[in-house]
Amino acid sequence: QKEVEQNSGPLSVPEGAIASLNCTYSDRVSQSFFWYRQYSGKSPELIMSIYSNGDKEDGRFTAQLNKASQYVSLLIRDSQPSDSATYLCAGEQNAGGTSYGKLTFGQGTILTVHP
Amino acid sequence: KAGVTQTPRYLIKTRGQQVTLSCSPISGHRSVSWYQQTPGQGLQFLFEYFSETQRNKGNFPGRFSGRQFSNSRSEMNVSTLELGDSALYLCASSRGGQTNYGYTFGSGTRLTVV
Repeated sequence: QKEVEQNSGPLSVPEGAIASLNCTYSDRVSQSFFWYRQYSGKSPELIMSIYSNGDKEDGRFTAQLNKASQYVSLLIRDSQPSDSATYLCAGEQNAGGTSYGKLTFGQGTILTVHP
Repeated sequence: KAGVTQTPRYLIKTRGQQVTLSCSPISGHRSVSWYQQTPGQGLQFLFEYFSETQRNKGNFPGRFSGRQFSNSRSEMNVSTLELGDSALYLCASSRGGQTNYGYTFGSGTRLTVV
């Protein structure tokens, strides 16, 4: 099993809809999770981080973490064409409670929001 | 506040040459990580430095090396370049303490090896 896997995509949703992006992970990356957005030709931009079970909301974005099932998801409400990008899920393995800077990324999901 | 600065933005090198990339983290951030991004392999972790010490290393050959200076700026070096080293090289900075507030990426250096 890959350490971090994203549902394959690409994902296309109409403007105003909810986009749902999912990610599963292995035991090796079980501490902290991040969602990054990457526009074509640009670097990844952090949009959400989540560390504990449950939901975390920030504007139109909601991250969900379920440690028992080992999945993390990102919901984008009221999707806009400007949300069209590749979304990367990343997990971090902490050693002894100290961050060691290693993020393991999924392969990314390309989201297209069409008007 | 200033973000993560990577220089240069673009590089073209010949096979066999070596290259040095630079990364200046966000002020106050002591951890710098390096990643390689290619269409086929995605984002892969190279190494991480904190307070001038390499704490973690990915599965890359010894041709890839790095260092961090006392001001937290970091450099990455690739020796004996191969065509397969063509990629976007990204650095990310974070505070590096026990509580992780996330990693901020720089704009990257796009390296082309010909």
